[in-house]
Amino acid sequence: EAQVTQNPRYLITVTGKKLTVTCSQNMNHEYMSWYRQDPGLGLRQIYYSMNVEVTDKGDVPEGYKVSRKEKRNFPLILESPSPNQTSLYFCASSLERTGGADTQYFGPGTRLTVL
Amino acid sequence: AQSVTQPDIHITVSEGASLELRCNYSYGATPYLFWYVQSPGQGLQLLLKYFSGDTLVQGIKGFEAEFKRSQSSFNLRKPSVHWSDAAEYFCAVGARGAQKLVFGQGTRLTINP
Repeated sequence: EAQVTQNPRYLITVTGKKLTVTCSQNMNHEYMSWYRQDPGLGLRQIYYSMNVEVTDKGDVPEGYKVSRKEKRNFPLILESPSPNQTSLYFCASSLERTGGADTQYFGPGTRLTVL
Repeated sequence: AQSVTQPDIHITVSEGASLELRCNYSYGATPYLFWYVQSPGQGLQLLLKYFSGDTLVQGIKGFEAEFKRSQSSFNLRKPSVHWSDAAEYFCAVGARGAQKLVFGQGTRLTINP
């Protein structure tokens, strides 16, 4: 089944404890992206990648890191999480390298709480 | 700057009634337009999209949307809603060569039995 998977789905952590949220797609998509969803703000892009080893900042990149060592995986890293990073996170992918020109397929989401 | 506005944060309709969700955009290039639905506890699923051609677009689950360039709008419609349509709906805009989609704030739809 074609899909985007994220792990974990739910995570509660404490301030400053490094964490990684994994994202994987099995559709051989070029483009991958991370979003956070907060009430009243819609989806805001954190980082995106148009190819292996090519990543770029989105609208709200502060406090986050990403890597794209393999085409299928795009992990999101919070090296020192803070409470303002409590949010619902989505990974997405699309076939086209330019993510604004194609349908994006979304993972199920990761709900993160930072205490 | 590119932006998408969904003027209605929350809409309540009765089951069987018609539905229209509004979306207005501001975009410098010829827009590619999308509607996504997010059911409770789920990721976003594409309902329909418009790139070019016929300005009335049919999607899944009985939804349709109409692109009106003169009004910079892409409103989503359904003639008769079902209880299972209760969800949050997002409008998004992109373009050929654009590096990302820009999303609206979302409209939460509640269905009264």
